[in-house]
Amino acid sequence: DAKTTQPPSMDCAEGRAANLPCNHSTISGNEYVYWYRQIHSQGPQYIIHGLKNNETNEMASLIITEDRKSSTLILPHATLRDTAVYYCIVRVFGAGGTSYGKLTFGQGTILTVHP
Amino acid sequence: DTEVTQTPKHLVMGMTNKKSLKCEQHMGHRAMYWYKQKAKKPPELMFVYSYEKLSINESVPSRFSPECPNSSLLNLHLHALQPEDSALYLCASSQVRSPLHFGNGTRLTVT
Repeated sequence: DAKTTQPPSMDCAEGRAANLPCNHSTISGNEYVYWYRQIHSQGPQYIIHGLKNNETNEMASLIITEDRKSSTLILPHATLRDTAVYYCIVRVFGAGGTSYGKLTFGQGTILTVHP
Repeated sequence: DTEVTQTPKHLVMGMTNKKSLKCEQHMGHRAMYWYKQKAKKPPELMFVYSYEKLSINESVPSRFSPECPNSSLLNLHLHALQPEDSALYLCASSQVRSPLHFGNGTRLTVT
């Protein structure tokens, strides 16, 4: 699986957009970019994923560069409850209808949202 | 609240004890996972079950024994653990080619 590189920590003011970068320069054509976050003492929470197009849902937007070597997770209006560790993960699925796809976590970015 | 339920939330066990962790989901997911997370570290994959068959064992010591009795239930049997096995044990489930849903974990302390 392709490796990801994220900054160890970032700060953001409440109400502002939080832009979390991720580098995945060795990503293959069939590998997806997934983002999860983990709030203290809870299990990881799925945020969003994409293959090559930009994606948006009710939680966040995912911008993937055209060469797919990097991506940015955008939380449009950060709140204090968004303080968490954010993981960028590259996930590949095997062939066949039973493929589950391994999810291998890197070190992540600790995002701290300040009042 | 999560749709993956793990019990117990906390467990303290001695090195000679036998205990089990339980994970349950009712979302119809056919893949289930065990992860281990040490303090201030990312989760590490231990086992994957796909359609109730063990698909991946990430070279986990035999003192950890997984079991998938049916499509909704996943157990992790623990025997002769060491203090360094103290960690948060996370269960997750997913549909084929879909995001994983995680439980909030069992915090295990081995004394």
